[in-house]
Amino acid sequence: KQEVTQIPAALSVPEGENLVLNCSFTDSAIYNLQWFRQDPGKGLTSLLLIQSSQREQTSGRLNASLDKSSGRSTLYIAASQPGDSATYLCAVSWGSARQLTFGSGTQLTVLP
Amino acid sequence: KAGVTQTPRYLIKTRGQQVTLSCSPISGHRSVSWYQQTPGQGLQFLFEYFSETQRNKGNFPGRFSGRQFSNSRSEMNVSTLELGDSALYLCASAKFLADQETQYFGPGTRLLVL
Repeated sequence: KQEVTQIPAALSVPEGENLVLNCSFTDSAIYNLQWFRQDPGKGLTSLLLIQSSQREQTSGRLNASLDKSSGRSTLYIAASQPGDSATYLCAVSWGSARQLTFGSGTQLTVLP
Repeated sequence: KAGVTQTPRYLIKTRGQQVTLSCSPISGHRSVSWYQQTPGQGLQFLFEYFSETQRNKGNFPGRFSGRQFSNSRSEMNVSTLELGDSALYLCASAKFLADQETQYFGPGTRLLVL
């Protein structure tokens, strides 16, 4: 069964710290992997999309890596800010690019 | 450019009723997908439409159905509502079918079934 797992479920860090969020998936034959952010009571905002042929993507303070052979992706956030507080979701597409399988998310709190 | 819009934003229904939710994709986008988000199951794929055709369907009972119109707007319908259908329903749009294309999510419709 194709599954996505995110650990830890919650993370609290002081402002300014660099941090890593983890995502693992069970089947390496992916189309792409995406990281999303969800603020309480709101929809999802796409942060980064990594195609199956890529190893990493960067956007500002965010860097996402992909290692298909080990079934892992990491989201690195540099110099965290209180505004980064949100739930971060990892999503993988296998059979169809738009049929995403989501992890359960990591709830991040950045303390001022 | 306007984002994905969903109506209504909040809805309260009772068991046994049916409900229709609407999603208007970003202008020019032809693909619309629907997801259900609950505290227990997380985000789960419902179905995807492209150019009025259902392309994929998730593992949900037949009570869940959808359609897409010629203007790419989409509706999903849930009949004979159950308490467990209480959830945030999210729709996402994309322009084409490209694998490298991200999806843009709407704010969701929060459905409460009493």
